[in-house]
Amino acid sequence: DGGITQSPKYLFRKEGQNVTLSCEQNLNHDAMYWYRQDPGQGLRLIYYSQIVNDFQKGDIAEGYSVSREKKESFPLTVTSAQKNPTAFYLCASKLTGAPTDTQYFGPGTRLTVL
Amino acid sequence: EDQVTQSPEALRLQEGESSSLNCSYTVSGLRGLFWYRQDPGKGPEFLFTLYSAGEEKEKERLKATLTKKESFLHITAPKPEDSATYLCAVRGYGGSQGNLIFGKGTKLSVKP
Repeated sequence: DGGITQSPKYLFRKEGQNVTLSCEQNLNHDAMYWYRQDPGQGLRLIYYSQIVNDFQKGDIAEGYSVSREKKESFPLTVTSAQKNPTAFYLCASKLTGAPTDTQYFGPGTRLTVL
Repeated sequence: EDQVTQSPEALRLQEGESSSLNCSYTVSGLRGLFWYRQDPGKGPEFLFTLYSAGEEKEKERLKATLTKKESFLHITAPKPEDSATYLCAVRGYGGSQGNLIFGKGTKLSVKP
């Protein structure tokens, strides 16, 4: 089945640690996105990538880093510089240039700082 | 600045009681308006894309409509399984670099 997978589903981090969230898609989509979701707030864009080996900062990139070495994969690292990382993280992808221009989302990773 | 406002924040309905959710938007040239459904602890599920004023789309008990300033998600004779948070997002030609701008969502509860 085609889709977007995120792992792990739950992640616990101690203060001062870096952690990496995985996002993989087998939809052959060009563009991939990372969002953060907090209670009572809309989804906020962290980073996005439209092609392999290229990515851009979104609205809240501070304290996060990404890489895009393969078309299928777009991992997100939450660094110790991110002051309030506890949130629900969502990965999305879309086919650029397609008529429908729709982003599809993965199941999410819930990160909790202990 | 591109902006999306959804109302109400929460809506409680009895099974079979039809209603509408509102999504008001401000965008520099609309490239698309998107509706998603999100269940607790899960990723958003795509429902509809609307591109121009007057456009309508339907799926089972849901119907989405679009004007130049807002979109409505009409729910006809809802069932308990329609309970979820409904998210609205817009994509414009302006300062958001073509990325999606999301509203905060409307949490719908349908009681049997």
